[in-house]
Amino acid sequence: DTEVTQTPKHLVMGMTNKKSLKCEQHMGHRAMYWYKQKAKKPPELMFVYSYEKLSINESVPSRFSPECPNSSLLNLHLHALQPEDSALYLCASSQASGGKGNVQFFGPGTRLTVL
Amino acid sequence: QQQVKQSPQSLIVQKGGISIINCAYENTAFDYFPWYQQFPGKGPALLIAIRPDVSEKKEGRFTISFNKSAKQFSLHIMDSQPGDSATYFCAARYGGATNKLIFGTGTLLAVQP
Repeated sequence: DTEVTQTPKHLVMGMTNKKSLKCEQHMGHRAMYWYKQKAKKPPELMFVYSYEKLSINESVPSRFSPECPNSSLLNLHLHALQPEDSALYLCASSQASGGKGNVQFFGPGTRLTVL
Repeated sequence: QQQVKQSPQSLIVQKGGISIINCAYENTAFDYFPWYQQFPGKGPALLIAIRPDVSEKKEGRFTISFNKSAKQFSLHIMDSQPGDSATYFCAARYGGATNKLIFGTGTLLAVQP
């Protein structure tokens, strides 16, 4: 299995809702990432988990809350989002950070719309 | 110093032609340079990657040329096909434990039949 899966594919939520994005990989990777991508822009790193511990938080607002329950799963909990948070949210995974060949494999993304 | 500059922003190539996308960086801490291809509504997919101790890498129709002294690298797509029409991102990775990627701004490639 060489893919990263993400659910849901699309999500529409109001500013008072609480929702979660899910990401799963079965490649034995021990680093997982959340990115945000606006239209016609490159992906922007939000969080990095390494061995299930948060290693990088790129100053992301607290309305985004990541969670890594185990080495295969990564969640992003959303609460009180703003319309400007509408974007494609991408999950990626790689072998443990550092070293050679640590290619990041991306999932298909969740298209989030905040009303 | 964190930036990776990418050009052109958009590119139109005739079928069978050569597509060339260029990137430049400043930070010598970067140790790995992947290129990603992204189709609309999809996640980026790794296309080809190179390390700074190699000057060229070829995989099928895709070639990366790397100039360490100039801190520049480029993607060449030979015999471009309409199916290559996508957005291409170069990236650079910080060495060490973080495995953090810095992406270029992207190039929208359109290959006309």
